[in-house]
Amino acid sequence: GQNIDQPTEMTATEGAIVQINCTYQTSGFNGLFWYQQHAGEAPTFLSYNVLDGLEEKGRFSSFLSRSKGYSYLLLKELQMKDSASYLCAKEGAGGYQKVTFGIGTKLQVIP
Amino acid sequence: KAGVTQTPRYLIKTRGQQVTLSCSPISGHRSVSWYQQTPGQGLQFLFEYFSETQRNKGNFPGRFSGRQFSNSRSEMNVSTLELGDSALYLCASSGAVANTGELFFGEGSRLTVL
Repeated sequence: GQNIDQPTEMTATEGAIVQINCTYQTSGFNGLFWYQQHAGEAPTFLSYNVLDGLEEKGRFSSFLSRSKGYSYLLLKELQMKDSASYLCAKEGAGGYQKVTFGIGTKLQVIP
Repeated sequence: KAGVTQTPRYLIKTRGQQVTLSCSPISGHRSVSWYQQTPGQGLQFLFEYFSETQRNKGNFPGRFSGRQFSNSRSEMNVSTLELGDSALYLCASSGAVANTGELFFGEGSRLTVL
């Protein structure tokens, strides 16, 4: 991905908590998306952050720090079905679907 | 309501040929974006259309082109195919008008160039 960095792979245990970090260039930034993509399937929307802070949605939470160019996705009470790639995506200023994706973090949940 | 539909799902072409991929967005969505996904590069933005107008374009050569019809259906075309064009091509639609909204992705068209 362009100017978006996230770990390539992570492994976590079922029932545990995992944090997936994402850093991006702050220039031309409007908002930050997280998408989930299971192998062989289409990406699906998880969260969208525009303001600084933590947004909680069930077992998933997403955090944004605009000044630091940093975001993370927090997954609690991990389940086997959470094994997937998690894509961090930066929305460019000016809107109009100018979305740049990171390469994705492949999360493997083990028993 | 029906999701984003992409056709064909799989196709094999040889170098030098051209290919056309089709995308039907969710009913009522006027924005359609196209992405190329490869293991090494992740999802890369190709272009975005809204009401038959291209609003944004990524950094791909002119061999990659697209268009959108009045019913919001979109097509993308790749001419003079190269081996490196082998990828999953994803289409996404959005109901947002002026700003970026949640993208709804299709299952993709997997292109193999031999």
